[in-house]
Amino acid sequence: DAGVIQSPRHEVTEMGQEVTLRCKPISGHNSLFWYRQTMMRGLELLIYFNNNVPIDDSGMPEDRFSAKMPNASFSTLKIQPSEPRDSAVYFCASSFRVLGEKLFFGSGTQLSVL
Amino acid sequence: DQQVKQNSPSLSVQEGRISILNCDYTNSMFDYFLWYKKYPAEGPTFLISISSIKDKNEDGRFTVFLNKSAKHLSLHIVPSQPGDSAVYFCAARNQAGTALIFGKGTTLSVSS
Repeated sequence: DAGVIQSPRHEVTEMGQEVTLRCKPISGHNSLFWYRQTMMRGLELLIYFNNNVPIDDSGMPEDRFSAKMPNASFSTLKIQPSEPRDSAVYFCASSFRVLGEKLFFGSGTQLSVL
Repeated sequence: DQQVKQNSPSLSVQEGRISILNCDYTNSMFDYFLWYKKYPAEGPTFLISISSIKDKNEDGRFTVFLNKSAKHLSLHIVPSQPGDSAVYFCAARNQAGTALIFGKGTTLSVSS
């Protein structure tokens, strides 16, 4: 299996622009998670899905952030409009079950908002 | 309000010696704990875990100890190797069933 695939690996954009991050989970995994890594806050959970349904989005920082999972093999995290403080590494992870099972992470998207 | 705390941002150890990484938690409802390792430009990868019904779990050079009364766990690496240099994240699961909650991480540097 190719593992969790994220794109792009790097994204540099200007403040105010829309940013879309993409994720393909491991086939057969039915839970998908979006995390954000910053120096100040470490790895923080943004949102997670179970069977394509959002379960907990309490970690999404603002209404500027939105996430979708239209099918079992694809998810997006969108930031509109982006701000410099959104600069971070965004990780997608998947697991076979949602309840604290071992997560498999993608390589992350390094986002820089200028 | 961090429920999982890794108070040491960094740790430096010589090759062959023991590395001890610490993690504290505040939520008594946590029942399962994991350690992840992260190399630069890669995602975190699972290393070792422990259930709250145990106080020790060992896997090769890696051992995790859990002290529930103190709400503290530690990861021991013996002997440490240069390839162990990475960021180590402690994570915990709530009994009620939520996604994993991670600490801020500790950067381990093992010098040869």
